[in-house]
Amino acid sequence: SQKIEQNSEALNIQEGKTATLTCNYTNYSPAYLQWYRQDPGRGPVFLLLIRENEKEKRKERLKVTFDTTLKQSLFHITASQPADSATYLCALTGGGNKLTFGTGTQLKVEL
Amino acid sequence: SAVISQKPSRDICQRGTSLTIQCQVDSQVTMMFWYRQQPGQSLTLIATANQGSEATYESGFVIDKFPISRPNLTFSTLTVSNMSPEDSSIYLCSVCLPAGVGYEQYFGPGTRLTVT
Repeated sequence: SQKIEQNSEALNIQEGKTATLTCNYTNYSPAYLQWYRQDPGRGPVFLLLIRENEKEKRKERLKVTFDTTLKQSLFHITASQPADSATYLCALTGGGNKLTFGTGTQLKVEL
Repeated sequence: SAVISQKPSRDICQRGTSLTIQCQVDSQVTMMFWYRQQPGQSLTLIATANQGSEATYESGFVIDKFPISRPNLTFSTLTVSNMSPEDSSIYLCSVCLPAGVGYEQYFGPGTRLTVT
């Protein structure tokens, strides 16, 4: 069955460092992979979308890589700030509108 | 982008009762989605609601338990029927909008449901 795995352990990093989150998937051939941010008590907020034929995408301090051979995406936040503390979800779609979400990784950026 | 509101934001209900959650979008959209997020879990798609047709339910979810209405292109409701404590969850609606060659999903703030 399809599986999307994100590190369930919280990631604690120091302010100013680069946070790297991992999303691995199995039994899936996604056309797109997306990353969302979710704050407590709020709905997820879209951050970035990367297509299967793209290796890397950037947006301000965010960078996403997508390796369809390894079946893995890495999500980087450079120069991290305490305001970046949240849960980050990856989500995959086969090309339609239906998304399958990973379990999310909680990031905590400390002063 | 899309701005989505949900009502109620939270509720505490007794088992055996039903709750209807409303979702309003600030623009017309073809497809709306209803998700469930149980405590500490990720989002699970319940159903896809298209205006003018029956909702399409995912495996494990049935219309009798989660009836959905979609009377127009900006509004949808999800009813959680005959509730039990296992239905305690956050319920979120979302819409998809084109973004280049893919889609972005926008989510409402969620409805936190507690069933006692």
